[in-house]
Amino acid sequence: QVQLVQSGAEVMHPGASVEVSCKASGYHFSAFHVHWVRRAPGQGLEWMGWINPVSGVTTFAQKFQGRVAVTTDTSINTAYLHVNGLTSDDTAVYYCAKDRNNFPDFWGQGTLVTVSS
Amino acid sequence: SYVLTQPPSVSVSPGKTATISCQGNNIGGISVHWHQQKPGQAPVLVIFNDRDRPSGIPERFSGSNSGSTATLTISSVEAGDEADYFCQVWDFTSDHILFGGGTKLTVL
Repeated sequence: QVQLVQSGAEVMHPGASVEVSCKASGYHFSAFHVHWVRRAPGQGLEWMGWINPVSGVTTFAQKFQGRVAVTTDTSINTAYLHVNGLTSDDTAVYYCAKDRNNFPDFWGQGTLVTVSS
Repeated sequence: SYVLTQPPSVSVSPGKTATISCQGNNIGGISVHWHQQKPGQAPVLVIFNDRDRPSGIPERFSGSNSGSTATLTISSVEAGDEADYFCQVWDFTSDHILFGGGTKLTVL
């Protein structure tokens, strides 16, 4: 069965960077894009961007361009989200998700990132 | 940019039918997908391509899409259906995924 297992919760100081990992299993990792989506407290789902695991080509929502990076390591079926310059507005649960055909069909369990001084 | 509008909340009694709308300009011409998120859990895809159900999703969940409104319908609502529901589309002009603001379904 398809599984996406993310790294554990993080507590970060403002201005710091964070990396969240997402290890996939149960499907051909290289064949499907990986999405990153977050949900801040009291807010809805917010799409951040996605990556083609083979080509490494990424597309990001405008508000994240220049501050967010997404990479993959196809040898271990893992995707990574890297966010720079954290502020309290980045406090959220971050999710990776497997793409099916321009929509997420399986989601990771989520990683809580708390930004606090 | 394309905008998806959902009602913030919908309330329904157990055993009744809940309908959740998702409005967008000519949304009937593109595929709409629906994700359910229960408190403290990851989202789950419940409807894709307007009306298809993934394996394991009960037949009580159905979808439609026409004109400017896509609709998620949940029949014979159960307490366990209480969750936030998000519609989602792909904006091909920007190659971006878009989510609606979400609708909180309360089972009375």
